[in-house]
Amino acid sequence: KAGVTQTPRYLIKTRGQQVTLSCSPISGHRSVSWYQQTPGQGLQFLFEYFSETQRNKGNFPGRFSGRQFSNSRSEMNVSTLELGDSALYLCASSLAGLAGGLNTQYFGPGTRLTVL
Amino acid sequence: GENVEQHPSTLSVQEGDSAVIKCTYSDSASNYFPWYKQELGKRPQLIIDIRSNVGEKKDQRIAVTLNKTAKHFSLHITETQPEDSAVYFCAVNAGGTSYGKLTFGQGTILTVHP
Repeated sequence: KAGVTQTPRYLIKTRGQQVTLSCSPISGHRSVSWYQQTPGQGLQFLFEYFSETQRNKGNFPGRFSGRQFSNSRSEMNVSTLELGDSALYLCASSLAGLAGGLNTQYFGPGTRLTVL
Repeated sequence: GENVEQHPSTLSVQEGDSAVIKCTYSDSASNYFPWYKQELGKRPQLIIDIRSNVGEKKDQRIAVTLNKTAKHFSLHITETQPEDSAVYFCAVNAGGTSYGKLTFGQGTILTVHP
């Protein structure tokens, strides 16, 4: 099976702009989680989607949002970009995203976002 | 919320030595403990995971031990090789009805010298 894919791989934006990142999960996987990775804060959970519904959300401002489509592909959007949003954004897919996160999560290659 | 402490932050060993990385967590409801390896510029790759009903799991040169009473788990790599050099992250799930969320440790930079 093909692995998790993310597009684009690299993005450069300026402050105040908005950005949309895309994630295609492994075929058959219905749960998609998003994480932000920075040198200072490490890997932090943003949100999780399953069957087009957001089931869980981390401690990020409302500028960070997402959605999931009927084919399980997911997008995340960051509006009014700030310098501190520069990070590697990773998505991870799992089969069913069981309660308590028991399903194994497989990561995509990430989108490197740079905000100038 | 869940807190995960990972030590050491850097670890340097000679090829053939063993490496041990330890994580402690705070949520007693956590019951899933994966370890990920991330090479420079690459995605995190799952290398081993353990569930709370098991105290130890081994896969060739890699093993994980879990002590639920003390709330800590460790990654053991034996006979290290230069290709084991990477950043290793431990993670824990949030128990109960929390979906899709893993809380990660800060990572350990492992360097294996030939």
